Amino acid sequence: DAKTTQPTSMDCAEGRAANLPCNHSTISGNEYVYWYRQIHSQGPQYIIHGLKNNETNEMASLIITEDRKSSTLILPHATLRDTAVYYCIVLSGAGSYQLTFGKGTKLSVIP
Amino acid sequence: SAVISQKPSRDICQRGTSLTIQCQVDSQVTMMFWYRQQPGQSLTLIATANQGSEATYESGFVIDKFPISRPNLTFSTLTVSNMSPEDSSIYLCSVEPRSDTQYFGPGTRLTVL
Repeated sequence: DAKTTQPTSMDCAEGRAANLPCNHSTISGNEYVYWYRQIHSQGPQYIIHGLKNNETNEMASLIITEDRKSSTLILPHATLRDTAVYYCIVLSGAGSYQLTFGKGTKLSVIP
Repeated sequence: SAVISQKPSRDICQRGTSLTIQCQVDSQVTMMFWYRQQPGQSLTLIATANQGSEATYESGFVIDKFPISRPNLTFSTLTVSNMSPEDSSIYLCSVEPRSDTQYFGPGTRLTVL
């Protein structure tokens, strides 16, 4: 599976959009980009995933560049409850269970 | 999605003892997984537990230390055997009810004295 690079930490003002970047320059054609988050002392929570096209659900949007070497997770209106560590994970095809968690980005939402 | 519960939610144990952690899911799932998260670290996969077969362990984890049972499609246990302080971690189970998404339990916080 391709490796990912994320900033160690980010701040975002409450109510503003939080844009979390992820680099995955070695991603191959059948690898998906997944995002999970872990709020302190809880199990990781699935957010969204995509292959090529941009994706949106009730939690977030995922923007994948045309060359697929990077992506951005967007939380449109961050709240204090969105403070968490966000993990960007690349998986070899849907159905692959080998989630490899890196260090992620610690997002702090500031009142 | 899937609703996953774990018992106990936390425990404090003495070195040399063993603890069995239970994972219960509200629907039948083929694949269940056990992870460890050491203090301040990210998650590491311990093993994959499919019903009807032996668990598959990742490098660095062995069955004698972390025996796993998977008696049916909604339940699994992980035992942490002969514990030492280095085993102090959060242990998490997860399931893959669909082929493209994995869901996690709340975790069991273990402290070994």
